[in-house]
This record gives sequence, structure tokens and C-alpha cells, in this order.
Amino acid sequence: SQQGEEDPQALSIQEGENATMNCSYKTSINNLQWYRQNSGRGLVHLILIRSNEREKHSGRLRVTLDTSKKSSSLLITASRAADTASYFCATETSGSRLTFGEGTQLTVNP
Amino acid sequence: GAVVSQHPSRVICKSGTSVKIECRSLDFQATTMFWYRQFPKKSLMLMATSNEGSKATYEQGVEKDKFLINHASLTLSTLTVTSAHPEDSSFYICSAQIGTSGTKTQYFGPGTRLLVL
Repeated sequence: SQQGEEDPQALSIQEGENATMNCSYKTSINNLQWYRQNSGRGLVHLILIRSNEREKHSGRLRVTLDTSKKSSSLLITASRAADTASYFCATETSGSRLTFGEGTQLTVNP
Repeated sequence: GAVVSQHPSRVICKSGTSVKIECRSLDFQATTMFWYRQFPKKSLMLMATSNEGSKATYEQGVEKDKFLINHASLTLSTLTVTSAHPEDSSFYICSAQIGTSGTKTQYFGPGTRLLVL
């Protein structure tokens, strides 16, 4: 079964607006992580939320986790053109294995 | 922060040749490294988990004889794509893990784009 399905697949907004991306998963997890990837580049770790946490903040990022619904959301507030990238959620299960979602391509228009 | 490098960043090779990709943790030691494959506009798929000094653990469907992984030191893991074919063309990304218990964090390399002609 596929872990870490994300929606929307693509999101286009104007600078200054907020961007919300969602991630759903199927199995029990140790934690859920969000990553950013600029086109053709490696991944940058954004934030990690543990399975016993419900919400976490880091700068303009806000992540929520609902383990009963097996879902998470990433909110980027006051978006900037430089936030344009692909965003992936990844669930960590046993053995430190990360399973990535399909990603959301975010475009922030100046 | 922890830095992971990959070499080469881009490689073009002929069908039938072998290609080696290096993954190095530059400022930390990593007992565990991971190799992922990413198709265009797609997610990362874990190929194998590489542990220093032992055999790699491959994910289901990944041919170990096709994708040879060697983790010879705490700062270097290599992935060799043997007898490469056009369908092996992809973006290969490694990560190196800090921590062996409790909170473990993976730091990702910049990726290697492989094109097999």
C-alpha cells in the first residue's frame, strides 16, 4: 500500500498568501517529516513532528498531525516567490525507513 | 549543519556500461546511509539501506546484483549501476543518517542525474 499520499498535487498562489498542503498515510508511524525540493536538487529537511505531537511551528511553517485520521498538513504563511518548490511528506516507520509521499508542487507567483 | 555530497552530479553513459555514484558525509560519520531513486515529477523510492561494514538491505523489487552498494567507511557509500540500460535513467539521491537511537535524522545529498543512452 502506498504511504504518504499528498494533495493537492499542484498549488499555485500569489505572494503573501498562505499555502496548505495535506498528507495522508496508512500505517503506524514513529514520526512524520516534511521536506522541500527545488527542481533537480536534493531534499531539504523542514520539520519533524513526532507521533505524540499534534502541532509544531518553525518560522513561517506550521505542521499538524492527526494520528486518528492518519493525516498531516503543512501550512506556509505569508508565502514568497522563493518558496516555489516541491514539498514532500515522509513517514518514518521501524528501522528508520522513510516513505515519501507523491509531493505537492507549489508555485508562488510574485 | 550536516552536509552530504554526491559525485558525480550528472553522468551520461552508454548502455551496457557501469556507473559508480559516491555519497559522502562531509562533517559527520554515518553508520547508515540510504539510496533513493526519483523519476521525473515523482516521489522518492527507497532502494536500499546501507550499513557501514555490512551488506546492504534492499527493498522489494530492487535487484541487488544490478545496484551494487558498498559502505566501506563511516563517511562513504557507493552505488554502482551495473550494465546500465536506458530504463535505469533516473535521479539517484542518497542520505546519511545521524544518530543510532532516539531521534535519527537523515541528511540528503544533492542527487545524481543518470542518463543512459
